[in-house]
Amino acid sequence: KAGVTQTPRYLIKTRGQQVTLSCSPISGHRSVSWYQQTPGQGLQFLFEYFSETQRNKGNFPGRFSGRQFSNSRSEMNVSTLELGDSALYLCASSLQDANSGNTIYFGEGSWLTVV
Amino acid sequence: AQSVTQLGSHVSVSEGALVLLRCNYSSSVPPYLFWYVQYPNQGLQLLLKYTSAATLVKGINGFEAEFKKSETSFHLTKPSAHMSDAAEYFCAVSGREYGNKLVFGAGTILRVKS
Repeated sequence: KAGVTQTPRYLIKTRGQQVTLSCSPISGHRSVSWYQQTPGQGLQFLFEYFSETQRNKGNFPGRFSGRQFSNSRSEMNVSTLELGDSALYLCASSLQDANSGNTIYFGEGSWLTVV
Repeated sequence: AQSVTQLGSHVSVSEGALVLLRCNYSSSVPPYLFWYVQYPNQGLQLLLKYTSAATLVKGINGFEAEFKKSETSFHLTKPSAHMSDAAEYFCAVSGREYGNKLVFGAGTILRVKS
């Protein structure tokens, strides 16, 4: 069974640009969530989607957005990139949401460097 | 806000020695508890999870963790460290008191000395 797949794995962007990251969850998983990992702030929750609906959002500015498609694949977008957006972005999937206690599986992440 | 605390940002053990990584949660209602491991330049891999069944949970790679409600703890242990255990370990919790998301501890980097 394929795991959570994220693309691209590495990318470099310039300040002010925008970026789109993609995530394919484990087959059958309907919940997809995104986390940002930085050395200073650790792992922080961005948002969670279930059946194409955003059900939960973390404390990030509106420049961070996402969506989920009918096949459960998800994308997140960051507009007007800032240097502080440089981070590892992790996508995770599970059968149900985090309140259910279902195991949440993570992808390898997308490393974003903003210069 | 509810939180999870990992004591010790760095832990160093000798190969073959006991590994003990500490995790405490803050909610009054026991949450779901997880331990993840992250190797360099990789994502998070689930080691084990507690979901209110047995209080002693066995995971992969010889790791186990014990849930202690009275201490609000979920410490991770391994009887004998191996060089390949060197990585960063994250304790995480979820449940209604944590806002329907995984809340992570700050992580503990485990170093294994030969």
